[in-house]
Amino acid sequence: QKEVEQDPGPLSVPEGAIVSLNCTYSNSAFQYFMWYRQYSRKGPELLMYTYSSGNKEDGRFTAQVDKSSKYISLFIRDSQPSDSATYLCAMRATPSGGSYIPTFGRGTSLIVHP
Amino acid sequence: NAGVTQTPKFQVLKTGQSMTLQCAQDMNHNSMYWYRQDPGMGLRLIYYSASEGTTDKGEVPNGYNVSRLNKREFSLRLESAAPSQTSVYFCASSGSGGRRSSYEQYFGPGTRLTVT
Repeated sequence: QKEVEQDPGPLSVPEGAIVSLNCTYSNSAFQYFMWYRQYSRKGPELLMYTYSSGNKEDGRFTAQVDKSSKYISLFIRDSQPSDSATYLCAMRATPSGGSYIPTFGRGTSLIVHP
Repeated sequence: NAGVTQTPKFQVLKTGQSMTLQCAQDMNHNSMYWYRQDPGMGLRLIYYSASEGTTDKGEVPNGYNVSRLNKREFSLRLESAAPSQTSVYFCASSGSGGRRSSYEQYFGPGTRLTVT
């Protein structure tokens, strides 16, 4: 079992839908949680990152971390065709608690159709 | 401010040929990384350099060598390319933590390599 599990999809939704993307993990040392967006034939782009449990909101995007369940989510409100991309979750420990190098999920492909 | 740049963007090699992928960053980051990305496999770390003058193996280092030329530049060399090295290669950089920087990684646009 990989340390970070992420459903590859594809997840296909109509424009305007609320999208929920999720990852589960097994390493309790993970403290920092990131979401990257990767458009086709481009490099991953850091979208959001959060520390420990709780929610963080940035425009239409909300990142949620539940450390007790080892489960993180990214919600996209009012999804747009321009949100069509692969979304990768990533997480890491603190240097004192493990490695600062992140472990990535395999990515979920999202398609938002007009 | 270009961020992380990579050259070349595309390359086709024959089995046994060698080549060097170049990466440079202008964010004054201490740490740099090389990943490969294959369908269904996600991002896999090949090598990283925590700071100038140091390099360490990642998850899949076999068949590759790296050089941290200076703080800005980190190159990846394939000495004898094999078809299994056909992939998209990404360079990334990050700070080293502390008050003035974080460990979050910023990626380049990638190099698409095909080995025939």
